[in-house]
Amino acid sequence: GQQVMQIPQYQHVQEGEDFTTYCNSSTTLSNIQWYKQRPGGHPVFLIQLVKSGEVKKQKRLTFQFGEAKKNSSLHITATQTTDVGTYFCAGSSSNDYKLSFGAGTTVTVRA
Amino acid sequence: NAGVTQTPKFRVLKTGQSMTLLCAQDMNHEYMYWYRQDPGMGLRLIHYSVGEGTTAKGEVPDGYNVSRLKKQNFLLGLESAAPSQTSVYFCASSPLVGQKKDTQYFGPGTRLTVL
Repeated sequence: GQQVMQIPQYQHVQEGEDFTTYCNSSTTLSNIQWYKQRPGGHPVFLIQLVKSGEVKKQKRLTFQFGEAKKNSSLHITATQTTDVGTYFCAGSSSNDYKLSFGAGTTVTVRA
Repeated sequence: NAGVTQTPKFRVLKTGQSMTLLCAQDMNHEYMYWYRQDPGMGLRLIHYSVGEGTTAKGEVPDGYNVSRLKKQNFLLGLESAAPSQTSVYFCASSPLVGQKKDTQYFGPGTRLTVL
């Protein structure tokens, strides 16, 4: 079955620094989504990427979908304390409404 | 709109006891899902439903049953709870069509402990 791997599992970042989390799928995806879960909260949808090579930005967050539609990345610039949480990528295959979630990257920020 | 709600928020069970978790959504979404979240393992799909009266198994269905008698409700049952079912359970829903098709909206979660 489809597997989505996400690295790193933990990211400790100094406030103001940049970091990237990566997502890789064992199969070609029709789309990939990113979710953020704050400590003690529930996952909240951030963005969906559909096209090969697609890049989308949300303020300091940049999301990219690989050319082969098997990998994705989330890059955060100038990390702030509000970025604390766990970021999940989730992919689905064509004609499949189920999402396969990565294990998540848990981000902590040193002020 | 309340979005997706889950009851209860917390529950402690003894091994062998049964319980039902209730998920309700007021967004008229077709699809509903039950996940469990364990440390370091992300979200794993237990069961899902593509419409009223239909359910299907996900990645980790053993030990759980579900029902979707009404479009807005999705129930998750544990017939005989085991310590391995200690987890945080999330319900989610998603629309069939529209701009946010495939986007999943999550409930606040139920933290279950089985002793």
